Amino acid sequence: EAAVTQSPRNKVAVTGGKVTLSCNQTNNHNNMYWYRQDTGHGLRLIHYSYGAGSTEKGDIPDGYKASRPSQENFSLILELATPSQTSVYFCASGGGQGAGYAEQFFGPGTRLTVL
Amino acid sequence: AQSVTQPDARVTVSEGASLQLRCKYSYSGTPYLFWYVQYPRQGLQLLLKYYSGDPVVQGVNGFEAEFSKSNSSFHLRKASVHWSDSAVYFCVLRAYQGGRALIFGTGTTVSVSP
Repeated sequence: EAAVTQSPRNKVAVTGGKVTLSCNQTNNHNNMYWYRQDTGHGLRLIHYSYGAGSTEKGDIPDGYKASRPSQENFSLILELATPSQTSVYFCASGGGQGAGYAEQFFGPGTRLTVL
Repeated sequence: AQSVTQPDARVTVSEGASLQLRCKYSYSGTPYLFWYVQYPRQGLQLLLKYYSGDPVVQGVNGFEAEFSKSNSSFHLRKASVHWSDSAVYFCVLRAYQGGRALIFGTGTTVSVSP
């Protein structure tokens, strides 16, 4: 019954290869987010979406694309993976703006290693 | 600019002792504040949240936090820790305006020794 799921959970990629990380949510939330987690930085926002068909750049979007084909699914795409993109990636969903909607729900994370 | 500072990267406490984790935020508007916990190799789970009202908020597993607008702080406390509280704790800010995401502190790693 997990509300936010991610696949794959672990991924090893080669430099220059294409990587797609997938996220699915059953919360029926409008907003979805991709973060990466690195030691000393907490979580940093890569891309986010307000709904199907929309994507917005977060704080560190360079080298990443995002796709939101439906309310439930949000993908993060690395067209040309580099070793600096080795990290743990988290997807989250949230309801929207204002009181009662600020909380976000996180997936279990994807550990990506780029060799 | 909005930011969150957790000044303690690592805290070690003995089981049964009290715990306080510090958090300072920078934001001129109405903040939404959260504490999330991350257990080893897991995702983030919400401990508690503050939107408005009583500055002391209760969370899960005996955690509570106190909001102070004058000090721009949102410190987390627990009266008596258990070994299972060993985890990374993140203080998080959400701005009232805009659909942007959460702003995370760098986290405090808590190790509870027996």
